[in-house]
Amino acid sequence: KAGVTQTPRYLIKTRGQQVTLSCSPISGHRSVSWYQQTPGQGLQFLFEYFSETQRNKGNFPGRFSGRQFSNSRSEMNVSTLELGDSALYLCASSLNPGRNEKLFFGSGTQLSVL
Amino acid sequence: AQTVTQSQPEMSVQEAETVTLSCTYDTSESDYYLFWYKQPPSRQMILVIRQEAYKQQNATENRFSVNFQKAAKSFSLKISDSQLGDAAMYFCAYRTPSNAGNNRKLIWGLGTSLAVNP
Repeated sequence: KAGVTQTPRYLIKTRGQQVTLSCSPISGHRSVSWYQQTPGQGLQFLFEYFSETQRNKGNFPGRFSGRQFSNSRSEMNVSTLELGDSALYLCASSLNPGRNEKLFFGSGTQLSVL
Repeated sequence: AQTVTQSQPEMSVQEAETVTLSCTYDTSESDYYLFWYKQPPSRQMILVIRQEAYKQQNATENRFSVNFQKAAKSFSLKISDSQLGDAAMYFCAYRTPSNAGNNRKLIWGLGTSLAVNP
């Protein structure tokens, strides 16, 4: 069974641009969550989707948005990029959003904003 | 607000030896989950072990075990018979209870970089 796939693996953008990151969960998994990882702040929760609905959202500005499609694939979008948005963005999937569910992570998208 | 603290930014261990990584957390909840994740250079976060707060027995997964002290809010990871492949960043994480509603999420420590010396 294929793991969580995130594309692209690396991305370079300039300030003010927007970016879309993609996450394909493990087949059969319906819950997808996103995390931002930076050396200074560590991992910060962005949002969680289940059955195309956003169930939870972290403390990020409205420039960060996401969605989930009927096949459970998820995208996150960051508009008007800032230098501080440079980070590794990790996606995780699970069968359901239950608290005991094991999360399976992708290898992330490394975003650099110049 | 819940917080997770890993006080050791870097650790090293000799191959075949035992090492313990520390983690403390702060919460007013009584029912929650705790996790240790490993992140090798490939960047993929891999679950090492998890502990349910209402279970007093410490979780064990092969060479990995935890020392869960609920009253002290401590959750340390012990790696026995360390192998070169254990070298990675290790993150401690706390999962808020299911009744947290829209605040349910994983809260992470800043990680401990573990080097394994041959």
